Amino acid sequence: DGGITQSPKYLFRKEGQNVTLSCEQNLNHDAMYWYRQDPGQGLRLIYYSQIVNDFQKGDIAEGYSVSREKKESFPLTVTSAQKNPTAFYLCASSPLGTVAGVDGYTFGSGTRLTVV
Amino acid sequence: GQNIDQPTEMTATEGAIVQINCTYQTSGFNGLFWYQQHAGEAPTFLSYNVLDGLEEKGRFSSFLSRSKGYSYLLLKELQMKDSASYLCAVENDKIIFGKGTRLHILP
Repeated sequence: DGGITQSPKYLFRKEGQNVTLSCEQNLNHDAMYWYRQDPGQGLRLIYYSQIVNDFQKGDIAEGYSVSREKKESFPLTVTSAQKNPTAFYLCASSPLGTVAGVDGYTFGSGTRLTVV
Repeated sequence: GQNIDQPTEMTATEGAIVQINCTYQTSGFNGLFWYQQHAGEAPTFLSYNVLDGLEEKGRFSSFLSRSKGYSYLLLKELQMKDSASYLCAVENDKIIFGKGTRLHILP
């Protein structure tokens, strides 16, 4: 079955450490996205990529970095520069670069990151 | 700027009807989505409106007025499992999400 996989589901990080969240899709989608969600809040866009080896900053990119070396993979690194990294992180993909299409995004199941 | 507004919380009774409103001001518009999100889970797709009017899909319907920058999601015959957050999202070159409306269903 095609889908989008995020790992791990829960992640604990010590202050000052970088951590990388994995996102892999086998849907042959061109575009991939990273969102952050805080309790009681909507989704805020961190980074997105519409083609391999290219990505753009979203609304809250500071303290984060990404890479898109393969179409299937879009890992997100939360760096020590991110002041408040504890949140629920969602990865999504869509078949077209600029128009998500009638079904919208396909979401992964999310990674809950906690800084201890 | 880009702005999507929806009520923070709503409460309704099992078996009743509820309407969740969404207003938006965005640079560019391709379509409007409604997603359902249960606590701790990923959003799931409910509806997509491109043209003005009402789209009905089972117990859920979604309405769009592009000239007014307005949409609503109508949920009929409410069930306890409908307790969730409902996210309004506008697509231009990417999808921009509102903060969501948390819907509580009372027995």
